[in-house]
Amino acid sequence: DAKTTQPNSMESNEEEPVHLPCNHSTISGTDYIHWYRQLPSQGPEYVIHGLTSNVNNRMASLAIAEDRKSSTLILHRATLRDAAVYYCILRDGSGGSNYKLTFGKGTLLTVNP
Amino acid sequence: AAGVIQSPRHLIKEKRETATLKCYPIPRHDTVYWYQQGPGQDPQFLISFYEKMQSDKGSIPDRFSAQQFSDYHSELNMSSLELGDSALYFCASSSLLALTSTQYFGPGTRLTVL
Repeated sequence: DAKTTQPNSMESNEEEPVHLPCNHSTISGTDYIHWYRQLPSQGPEYVIHGLTSNVNNRMASLAIAEDRKSSTLILHRATLRDAAVYYCILRDGSGGSNYKLTFGKGTLLTVNP
Repeated sequence: AAGVIQSPRHLIKEKRETATLKCYPIPRHDTVYWYQQGPGQDPQFLISFYEKMQSDKGSIPDRFSAQQFSDYHSELNMSSLELGDSALYFCASSSLLALTSTQYFGPGTRLTVL
């Protein structure tokens, strides 16, 4: 599996935007960029995914670099409930039933009131 | 909306005992994944099933086995438990028909081996 690199931790203030970066320089053409997050004492939760174009959903936005070697998860207005470990994960989308998630060392986001 | 159900939520066992963890996927999901998360660690993939057949295998000890039943629920069987097996065990389900097979995780089973 292609690897991703994220900062160990980031800090934000409540109601401010947060930009969480992820580097994936060895990404292949069929890899989707997925973001999951894990709140304390809970199972991981899907946030957003994309392939080439920027994506928006009710939780966040995903900005993907033109060369796809990096991406940024954007939380437009952080809340205390957004404090979690955020994982950037590459998933091969070429088909088949092997869609396991390979979790790396995600980013621990702290949100200050 | 229905979510992934795991039981039990907490389990305490002695060394060398056996444990069975159960997972009930979201209705109409055909794929189940098992992950193990040790204290202070990131989740690690153990095994997955698609349409009741094993589809992928990760770092799962030989002491562990799993299967997916006709109703799509899955069970993770763990024998000869060791202290190092103490962890959170998450089950996730997805539908292969969905283009990117987003995984939906259950709340986890916390296994403590004494």
